Amino acid sequence: DIVLTQSPDSLAVSLGERATINCKSSQSVLYSSNNKNYLAWYQQKPGQPPKLLISWASARESGVPDRFSGSGSGTDFTLTISSLQAEDVAVYYCQQYYRAPPTFGQGTRVEIK
Amino acid sequence: QLQLQESGPRLVKPSETLSLTCTVSGASITSNSYFWGWIRQPPGKGLEWLGAFYYSVSTDYNPSLMGRVTISADTSKNQLSLSLTSVTASDTAVYYCARRRDAYGQFFDYWGQGTLVTVSS
Repeated sequence: DIVLTQSPDSLAVSLGERATINCKSSQSVLYSSNNKNYLAWYQQKPGQPPKLLISWASARESGVPDRFSGSGSGTDFTLTISSLQAEDVAVYYCQQYYRAPPTFGQGTRVEIK
Repeated sequence: QLQLQESGPRLVKPSETLSLTCTVSGASITSNSYFWGWIRQPPGKGLEWLGAFYYSVSTDYNPSLMGRVTISADTSKNQLSLSLTSVTASDTAVYYCARRRDAYGQFFDYWGQGTLVTVSS
């Protein structure tokens, strides 16, 4: 299975500041024939199911605020929250769908400093 | 508005079979436009994909479950079912059903609220 390792495990950021979450894959999730990275990002708030934020490494879902952005390629990816809001407190997961079975990172908890 | 609702016993004894149902409203599970999956999350831990259902095509399972999992559908009720045999305490988790909308990418854009199943005698 492809292993996704997120860093850090948790971070505390001041309101309005930038939060950066990294996701490193044990193998490339870039499909060369279509030049797409098979990686998604989710947000999970307490007591709620995960919410899809980004697919294909950088394609933001409709309705997701533009302060959320995804970047990276191959084995290294980043989710950036450009200006942290109180409602962004959550655990964030990356997920690869390049190779079955789909796998998730261990999660990164984002809190307010 | 698409909705997914998981239901089933909240407590299952070790060695028995866990059985859950996901009732889908707002979309047909027989649609060729969507696919469906089950994912679980042990309390306080991360997410694990269990399997997927592709109507009239196939099912697909996580090999880590060693053949214990079966996903099926009741099209007359627009429901998906999950069966997990020979459960142990490590199968205690919140179980989610979810929709995959993209034929080329197995990510999930709609999730049920999940149901916590505890394995205990």
